[in-house]
Amino acid sequence: AQSVTQLGSHVSVSEGALVLLRCNYSSSVPPYLFWYVQYPNQGLQLLLKYTTGATLVKGINGFEAEFKKSETSFHLTKPSAHMSDAAEYFCAVGSGYSTLTFGKGTMLLVSP
Amino acid sequence: NAGVMQNPRHLVRRRGQEARLRCSPMKGHSHVYWYRQLPEEGLKFMVYLQKENIIDESGMPKERFSAEFPKEGPSILRIQQVVRGDSAAYFCASSPPLGGANVLTFGAGSRLTVL
Repeated sequence: AQSVTQLGSHVSVSEGALVLLRCNYSSSVPPYLFWYVQYPNQGLQLLLKYTTGATLVKGINGFEAEFKKSETSFHLTKPSAHMSDAAEYFCAVGSGYSTLTFGKGTMLLVSP
Repeated sequence: NAGVMQNPRHLVRRRGQEARLRCSPMKGHSHVYWYRQLPEEGLKFMVYLQKENIIDESGMPKERFSAEFPKEGPSILRIQQVVRGDSAAYFCASSPPLGGANVLTFGAGSRLTVL
């Protein structure tokens, strides 16, 4: 069985500040890890994913995440927030041919 | 190269009516997954289908919900006798043969409102 915990249902940052969204997972097999972004009334857009290889993964819009097996974490970061980053972010875990298990999401609020 | 197409984007039904949501996978994709997003919740897996075959329906409610992916045409998620608790966004994703979790592409979703 797999599960995902996203710490903080809402995160507020100022424009230009560091963005850190936390994700911890549980998996009995080597995981694939994902971050998706959802803008209001829209579908899910893949930001980045880790499957194998390099543990620091770079995605779109300046986001990156690091897979830390010892901490079972896959936190999402961005050095400098933009107003356009305001959205809901979902962490998900999968493996091989399995389906994805999602966290409950973190709403990122960006203030001027 | 169209992505995953879902329709309708918005659907309003009264309690007791039926809702049909359609999903056309990306070209070349033969696997379809349905997820439900309830308010304040993440996405919950419902069902995984290949053409003419249900692979995993462990997330489907036992009653009133059914899904199919016929040889021709889109995948359909059917909800009979809808209740207010069925109000949610329903997302479809597709993957190529042997694709699995790491190559899912999501549609824009169908938002069901039950009055």
